[in-house]
Amino acid sequence: GAVVSQHPSRVICKSGTSVKIECRSLDFQATTMFWYRQFPKQSLMLMATSNEGSKATYEQGVEKDKFLINHASLTLSTLTVTSAHPEDSSFYICSASDRGHQPQHFGDGTRLSIL
Amino acid sequence: DQQVKQNSPSLSVQEGRISILNCDYTNSMFDYFLWYKKYPAEGPTFLISISSIKDKNEDGRFTVFLNKSAKHLSLHIVPSQPGDSAVYFCAASERNTGNQFYFGTGTSLTVIP
Repeated sequence: GAVVSQHPSRVICKSGTSVKIECRSLDFQATTMFWYRQFPKQSLMLMATSNEGSKATYEQGVEKDKFLINHASLTLSTLTVTSAHPEDSSFYICSASDRGHQPQHFGDGTRLSIL
Repeated sequence: DQQVKQNSPSLSVQEGRISILNCDYTNSMFDYFLWYKKYPAEGPTFLISISSIKDKNEDGRFTVFLNKSAKHLSLHIVPSQPGDSAVYFCAASERNTGNQFYFGTGTSLTVIP
């Protein structure tokens, strides 16, 4: 069964709206979670690394104020797309690892569509 | 800059035959490689991994081969089954830099019954 739960799976909203996406590890504690973005026919691009209890580490070119990440507990990380615009429409997916450098477990992703 | 490349966006194979999915990388510091399988509307699921100290890792019908000198890895599926139809991503990382993985663009495999 799924070990990482991501919610919602699909969001359609108007331009200017802020959208929050949740990522939960279901049966393990994840001190680190990862947020990716995927454009059509492109690879998963790492946006940021979410660290429990501290600030997220953002990849180059990712706006911190645009994509707010909060890792409030060992089982929950949230990504908020603030004042979303059509160019933010994409597939967002989170992952978590239960220990060290083990393979990451992925959520099912969130399809975000901004009208 | 795409550090991990999957040059074949799609592949069709007859059921029972071998499927070979290829992946190339540019960073010689990568020392850990994985293959993920993804069905539509679902997140990727881990399939098989290989460390740079090995050149082959086998798990049932799935075998991953690593050619470090060529910076190339491949996933072999034998025999291919219709349920194997999915998008396959390869990913690579450098262990010393943490848990960051670089993904290829994926290859869509269709196994024809």
